Amino acid sequence: GAVVSQHPSRVICKSGTSVKIECRSLDFQATTMFWYRQFPKQSLMLMATSNEGSKATYEQGVEKDKFLINHASLTLSTLTVTSAHPEDSSFYICSGATTTSGGLDEQYFGPGTRLTVT
Amino acid sequence: GIQVEQSPPDLILQEGANSTLRCNFSDSVNNLQWFHQNPWGQLINLFYIPSGTKQNGRLSATTVATERYSLLYISSSQTTDSGVYFCAVVSSDSWGKLQFGAGTQVVVTP
Repeated sequence: GAVVSQHPSRVICKSGTSVKIECRSLDFQATTMFWYRQFPKQSLMLMATSNEGSKATYEQGVEKDKFLINHASLTLSTLTVTSAHPEDSSFYICSGATTTSGGLDEQYFGPGTRLTVT
Repeated sequence: GIQVEQSPPDLILQEGANSTLRCNFSDSVNNLQWFHQNPWGQLINLFYIPSGTKQNGRLSATTVATERYSLLYISSSQTTDSGVYFCAVVSSDSWGKLQFGAGTQVVVTP
């Protein structure tokens, strides 16, 4: 199966600072990448969808100025949490997928980044 | 939006037992995927199965799209099967976006 990496795997930052999380597709070109967050004992919630070279599309209730997403190439997307607060502490997971003639193919997920804001 | 319901929410199995997990969805889907989330949080792709039946080792899955459900079978369970199993679907009008169910927490005891 396809491989997606994330960096860092774990980060602790102070309230008010910004944190950048990288998501890379290692052995395929991800025309579309997705960003999710997951709170303890809960399911994954989609935050935004990004297509290479285009602006990200955010889900309802997700602040686009707080969660900046850049998808500069077919193998790299970044999520920057700006002015982080303790309530932003969560597990952030990215996924990538390629576009086929039938639509979007199977999604492959990164290992996640655990963000703790103190 | 489409609703995805998984059952049971929790499952405790003795090693060697078989089990069936169910995923019901409220509308027609283009895609359906089953994942296993291990204790470290990594989602592992199990099946990409919008319809039909697939098998991979001790795991198999069946999706009956016309009746809007999918089943994941675990046979001869092992302790390494422990974790959360998620079903996620792509509805016809969501272009690629996965809608996740709440998951089934599986614990396999020795």
